[in-house]
Amino acid sequence: NAGVTQTPKFQVLKTGQSMTLQCAQDMNHNSMYWYRQDPGMGLRLIYYSASEGTTDKGEVPNGYNVSRLNKREFSLRLESAAPSQTSVYFCASSTGQGASNYGYTFGSGTRLTVV
Amino acid sequence: KNEVEQSPQNLTAQEGEFITINCSYSVGISALHWLQQHPGGGIVSLFMLSSGKKKHGRLIATINIQEKHSSLHITASHPRDSAVYICAVKEEGSNYQLIWGAGTKLIIKP
Repeated sequence: NAGVTQTPKFQVLKTGQSMTLQCAQDMNHNSMYWYRQDPGMGLRLIYYSASEGTTDKGEVPNGYNVSRLNKREFSLRLESAAPSQTSVYFCASSTGQGASNYGYTFGSGTRLTVV
Repeated sequence: KNEVEQSPQNLTAQEGEFITINCSYSVGISALHWLQQHPGGGIVSLFMLSSGKKKHGRLIATINIQEKHSSLHITASHPRDSAVYICAVKEEGSNYQLIWGAGTKLIIKP
């Protein structure tokens, strides 16, 4: 049981480069999320997908795009990386409609540095 | 003012001590989550509460909706409990977003 798998675990980008963070879950969860975590701050929601075929902006969507490729996969793309996007990124999934009724399963995180 | 506040920010205790971490929030909620972030960075959901009390092993979570307060207790603490404990709430009527606390860093010394 892999749960939520994120790749890569570490990445260094130059300013202006693009990259895609991959996330896949094998728990048949409907909802998937991308968060960023900065030092000393709580998790902040970038984008979420309530169900396959839908995506919505979270608290900090600027500079990011997402794709819910199918029920299993939810990718996060940085089109033109900026130093302010240096952070740890977490993908998560949950079972039901609305995260309030169900717990989350998190990926192991991607540590991204933009220089 | 943060909508979700945790206390203490940092807590160091000896192995075996009873640990309490508090979470206060200022909005009406439909649920409250407690999560654990390991020193290596991984995040694990511990509890989701909408009322009352839940227990799992040595962990107990309580919530008082009227007082807008939740506590996470750890009995017979162990060095492996050392982690950051995070409280997050889902505001009533909101979409999928959770409001996150900043976390409590717990260190249990042998």
